[in-house]
Amino acid sequence: DIQMTQSPSSLSASVGDRVTITCRASQGIRNYLAWYQQKPGKVPKLLIYAASTLQSGVPSRFSGSGSGTDFTLTISSLQPEDVATYYCQKYNSVPNTFGGGTKVEIK
Amino acid sequence: QVQLQESGPGLVTPSETLSLTCTVSGGSISTYYWNWIRQPPGKGLEWIGYIYYSGSTDYNPSLKSRVTISVDTSKNQFSLNLSSVTAADTAVYYCARGSLGYSYVRYWGQGTLVTVSS
Repeated sequence: DIQMTQSPSSLSASVGDRVTITCRASQGIRNYLAWYQQKPGKVPKLLIYAASTLQSGVPSRFSGSGSGTDFTLTISSLQPEDVATYYCQKYNSVPNTFGGGTKVEIK
Repeated sequence: QVQLQESGPGLVTPSETLSLTCTVSGGSISTYYWNWIRQPPGKGLEWIGYIYYSGSTDYNPSLKSRVTISVDTSKNQFSLNLSSVTAADTAVYYCARGSLGYSYVRYWGQGTLVTVSS
């Protein structure tokens, strides 16, 4: 099975900072990668699919990039409402494995 | 707007079978991938499996021997059965809908906590 490794597992940044989260696949998955945001106590929410396509309604400060094995989620200017855990998920083939998550906090 | 709602027992006895149903409203179940995903308390997300509207299924190999997902198009529902449960199966269980032609999750249910305990 393809493993999905996210880094860092947690980070603390100031409001307005640029934040980058990395997701690495153990084998190539082309661009079959999605990113989700899960706020504390809430249901996950789709942010990005096809590695870089922003889901409708998601603020433009979120962006995704990458293909093959290395992917990034970037928040261009961190806002207080972005406090959450972020997960990547591969969906090129089963199992549709999630990364371990990255917890984002405000410094 | 598509809505999904999980239902089923919140407490299951060890070695028994966990059974959950997801009722879909605001759209037909006769399209898309329909997923089950779980999240143990304080931990990350684990994909359990999905059923395509045609009835074909795929499961996480780590759970495959214990999982069955089925669909009832007449009721706009799909279901999860997980047999021989242990405390490690305690989690919030989410049902979720994929996107057109792809299995990433576009819509999530609210989730239901299932505790395995005697």
